[in-house]
Amino acid sequence: AIQLTQSPSSLSASVGDRVTVTCRASQDISSALAWYQQKPGKPPTLLIYDDLSLEIGVPSRFSGSGSGTDFTLTISSLQPEDFATYYCQQLNTYPHSFGQGTKLEIK
Amino acid sequence: EVQLVESGGGLVQSGGSLRLSCAASGFTFSSYPMHWVRQAPGKGLECVSVISDNGGRTYYASSVKGRFTISRDNSQNTLYLQMGSLRAEDSAVYYCARAWAAFTIFGVGTDYWGQGTLVTVSS
Repeated sequence: AIQLTQSPSSLSASVGDRVTVTCRASQDISSALAWYQQKPGKPPTLLIYDDLSLEIGVPSRFSGSGSGTDFTLTISSLQPEDFATYYCQQLNTYPHSFGQGTKLEIK
Repeated sequence: EVQLVESGGGLVQSGGSLRLSCAASGFTFSSYPMHWVRQAPGKGLECVSVISDNGGRTYYASSVKGRFTISRDNSQNTLYLQMGSLRAEDSAVYYCARAWAAFTIFGVGTDYWGQGTLVTVSS
């Protein structure tokens, strides 16, 4: 199974900060990667698919990049509603494994 | 509006069985692969199983293969997960989720999720 490693596992930041989360795959997955946001007690919501395409309704401050084994999620200017846990997911082979998550907290 | 509503969770003893259901509405259910994803308390997300739009193809995580069976009834717009030989490590919130593209499993993630149903396996 393909392993995904996210870093950092947790991150403290302030409103207005630029934040980057990385996701590394154990093998080449081309651009078959998605990013999700999850808030406590809620299911995940899709942010980015096909590595860099923004889901409808997701603010443009979110962006994704990368290919092969190394990917990044960037939030250009943190807003209060962005404090949550973020997961990457590879879609190349089943099981569509997730990273372990990055918890974004308010500094 | 797309809606997915899971049911069937609860407390079960180790070694027992449980069947989860996911009632879908607001889209053409028979066109979309459907997933089960679980999340143990305070932990990350784990793909459990996926079924193709017509039910002809199914895939499982190695952790549940041989114990869980995914199925669907397209006439009733309902997804199922039959869970057997349950273990303490199967305790989790189980979500059903829709693939974001019709008729496609690989290269496609999930866009709509239910609120989840909690399964607790007591040892």
